[in-house]
Amino acid sequence: GAVVSQHPSRVICKSGTSVKIECRSLDFQATTMFWYRQFPKQSLMLMATSNEGSKATYEQGVEKDKFLINHASLTLSTLTVTSAHPEDSSFYICSATGTSGPIHQVQYFGPGTRLTVL
Amino acid sequence: AQSVTQPDIHITVSEGASLELRCNYSYGATPYLFWYVQSPGQGLQLLLKYFSGDTLVQGIKGFEAEFKRSQSSFNLRKPSVHWSDAAEYFCAVGAFGEYGNKLVFGAGTILRVKS
Repeated sequence: GAVVSQHPSRVICKSGTSVKIECRSLDFQATTMFWYRQFPKQSLMLMATSNEGSKATYEQGVEKDKFLINHASLTLSTLTVTSAHPEDSSFYICSATGTSGPIHQVQYFGPGTRLTVL
Repeated sequence: AQSVTQPDIHITVSEGASLELRCNYSYGATPYLFWYVQSPGQGLQLLLKYFSGDTLVQGIKGFEAEFKRSQSSFNLRKPSVHWSDAAEYFCAVGAFGEYGNKLVFGAGTILRVKS
């Protein structure tokens, strides 16, 4: 149980285009989803916390107009990188927590999405 | 503010040898502590967690960790390492709030296993 998927696993796009990444909880309802960014050989940096039905909360230094997050249902959150530039190239990972009980207390991670902006 | 220190960037152990990965945290209240493992190009898998109670916690794949409040540590151990354990390991501290745990991760420790 507690499986989180991400799509796509890899995406290559041209500079100036927008890219959407989906994060789905497959076997549980996720009240909260988190979006992280990971640079090569570095740790995960939290970008934003996404709560179903409300606006995402962004960490300091993260441009909310550049990284649009939508959490429209209890099983789906999306991250859209708008007007992508090469410096946005990174590994993006989402995680999700459930609505109650033990699954509410642990973040379960997706497999990540490798974004390359040319 | 919460912070996590993993002092070892790389560790190399022989297959079959014991393993200890160090983790120190800084947090004002009782911490929620986690160890995750990440294989190259993959997401993170939860190995084990500590919320309260017994300070020695057992996880998956034969891993265990011990919470030592006096040392602000949560070291990960395994008595006999397998080649498949080669990966990157992240310690994290969480502050449990209205929307679940917000995690702060350490820098990670890359484990190499030599045969």
